[in-house]
Amino acid sequence: DIKMTQSPSSMYASLGERVTITCKASQDIKSYLSWYQQKPWKSPKTLIYYATSLADGVPSRFSGSGSGQDYSLTISSLESDDTATYYCLQHGESPYTFGGGTKLEIK
Amino acid sequence: EVQLQQSGPELVKPGASVKMSCKASGYTFTSYVMHWVKQKPGQGLEWIGYINPYNDGTKYNEKFKGKATLTSDKSSSTAYMELSSLTSEDSAVYYCARSGGYFWFAYWGQGTLVTVSA
Repeated sequence: DIKMTQSPSSMYASLGERVTITCKASQDIKSYLSWYQQKPWKSPKTLIYYATSLADGVPSRFSGSGSGQDYSLTISSLESDDTATYYCLQHGESPYTFGGGTKLEIK
Repeated sequence: EVQLQQSGPELVKPGASVKMSCKASGYTFTSYVMHWVKQKPGQGLEWIGYINPYNDGTKYNEKFKGKATLTSDKSSSTAYMELSSLTSEDSAVYYCARSGGYFWFAYWGQGTLVTVSA
């Protein structure tokens, strides 16, 4: 199985700050990488797919980058509504596997 | 508007089975695979498998083979997941999620909470 190592596992950031979350795959996943946001007691919401494509309705402050084994999600200017847990998912090879999650809180 | 409406919470006894549903609307049901995902309380997400409603083809995470059975009904645009021989380890929220293109998860249901308790 492909292991997805996500970091950091938790973080605090200030409003307006640029935030980056990373995911490293145990092998090349050829950009089959997506990002999801989950708020407490809610179902996940899709943010990014194919590593860099923004899902419908997602604010442009969210962006994705990366290739090969290394990927990142960036929030260009943190807003209070961005408090959530973020997960990466590799969907290139079954079993599809998620990163462990990054809990993002406002400082 | 794409919507995935999941069935309500379930309280089931150890050793029993439970079958939950995910009713799709707002798109052609047979055009996209439907994934199922498990989330234990306070923990991360785990992929269970998917079903292709077009041909009822399935793919499972080996970890869930024998535990989960995925089916679908084209006439009602509904996907189902049955979990068998339930233990406390199966207590979790289960999500259905419609795929986007190459198996990424585009839309999510609201989740079904399964609690296994005597």
